Amino acid sequence: AQRVTQPEKLLSVFKGAPVELKCNYSYSGSPELFWYVQYSRQRLQLLLRHISRESIKGFTADLNKGETSFHLKKPFAQEEDSAMYYCARPSNRAGNNRKLIWGLGTSLAVNP
Amino acid sequence: GAGVSQSPSNKVTEKGKDVELRCDPISGHTALYWYRQSLGQGLEFLIYFQGNSAPDKSGLPSDRFSAERTGGSVSTLTIQRTQQEDSAVYLCASSVNPGRGPYEQYFGPGTRLTVT
Repeated sequence: AQRVTQPEKLLSVFKGAPVELKCNYSYSGSPELFWYVQYSRQRLQLLLRHISRESIKGFTADLNKGETSFHLKKPFAQEEDSAMYYCARPSNRAGNNRKLIWGLGTSLAVNP
Repeated sequence: GAGVSQSPSNKVTEKGKDVELRCDPISGHTALYWYRQSLGQGLEFLIYFQGNSAPDKSGLPSDRFSAERTGGSVSTLTIQRTQQEDSAVYLCASSVNPGRGPYEQYFGPGTRLTVT
């Protein structure tokens, strides 16, 4: 079965420290991968997608096909980065019957 | 433009009662998703509508749960004979046709359901 695995339920770091939120996916061709974020009392929203190769709010994520990983990284965490982060990828079913497969999420706490 | 809206924002109900939760997707989005978010359980997929295709109901936890989408727009999630374990935040999301384009899902604010 297709899976997205986020091994850490909770990650706690100090402000200014590097942070890495792990995401692994079950291998299947060339996946598209996403990171979504939910800040306290806000809607769940897209943070970044791997095909864009963009950096959003200082976060980057590199697709590593050899390790089937898409870890989210930021060199210097800020308190406002505290949030719930979800990794997701589309299912492989063709045509219109596609949906996102979600990891269980990692709660990031950045301490002052 | 307007985002995804959900109503009510909060619902408290007694065990055994039926509840209906509503979702208004972004205009023009053909795909609509329902999720359940519980503390410690992450984001649980419930059901997915895409255009006129048969919905993917594979995530519905029991036959007490059902959903419909009328006219390809508004959707209603119904929970019959609610149980305390149904207490959660129910999220709705919509996207453009995922078979043809990006998969970004736009989420509503959620409905917090509390079953007493």
